[in-house]
Amino acid sequence: DAGITQSPRHKVTETGTPVTLRCHQTENHRYMYWYRQDPGHGLRLIHYSYGVKDTDKGEVSDGYSVSRSKTEDFLLTLESATSSQTSVYFCAISETIPMNTEAFFGQGTRLTVV
Amino acid sequence: RKEVEQDPGPFNVPEGATVAFNCTYSNSASQSFFWYRQDCRKEPKLLMSVYSSGNEDGRFTAQLNRASQYISLLIRDSKLSDSATYLCVAPDGNTPLVFGKGTRLSVIA
Repeated sequence: DAGITQSPRHKVTETGTPVTLRCHQTENHRYMYWYRQDPGHGLRLIHYSYGVKDTDKGEVSDGYSVSRSKTEDFLLTLESATSSQTSVYFCAISETIPMNTEAFFGQGTRLTVV
Repeated sequence: RKEVEQDPGPFNVPEGATVAFNCTYSNSASQSFFWYRQDCRKEPKLLMSVYSSGNEDGRFTAQLNRASQYISLLIRDSKLSDSATYLCVAPDGNTPLVFGKGTRLSVIA
């Protein structure tokens, strides 16, 4: 299995609090992505990174920010969590964009905002 | 936004059956295509890549129809372990992957 880990795996937080999810890879892949997955919506891209300090928005980026200070780490921050951000969050990595090679996913983070 | 549309599920089939899913894509510039498999409460994992007209791997066959802009996934001799959600992906250049919503398959004993 590819070396990609997400932390935490589960989190319950209160509305209005900031939350940071971490994605760590040991594959030295250039590209990293954050998706959220909700019933009826499939996987939706939040933000992605094409290198250290290089990031861009996806289709559902409102309320989220990201940072990538090292190749191996990609952080997703919910600035002020809302109940609509309750979801399963997946990090993914790939050698190329748009993933003409295999993309590898982390195991996911289940976030509940109460 | 580039769209990828998949057959709605769930597909409930008996063991041993042959089942096929379709996936349509909107961007004619897409050159390569992928099927991912996602087990319940797990992450997606690559099942098959399709770069030309099709690809076959054991019981699984993926076919590409560029004229009609769809790809299909055929599963022969379905096993209980094939029960999962199958996600279609159609990259379209220098943008990150857009996934279909997935088709859920349940293979019944």
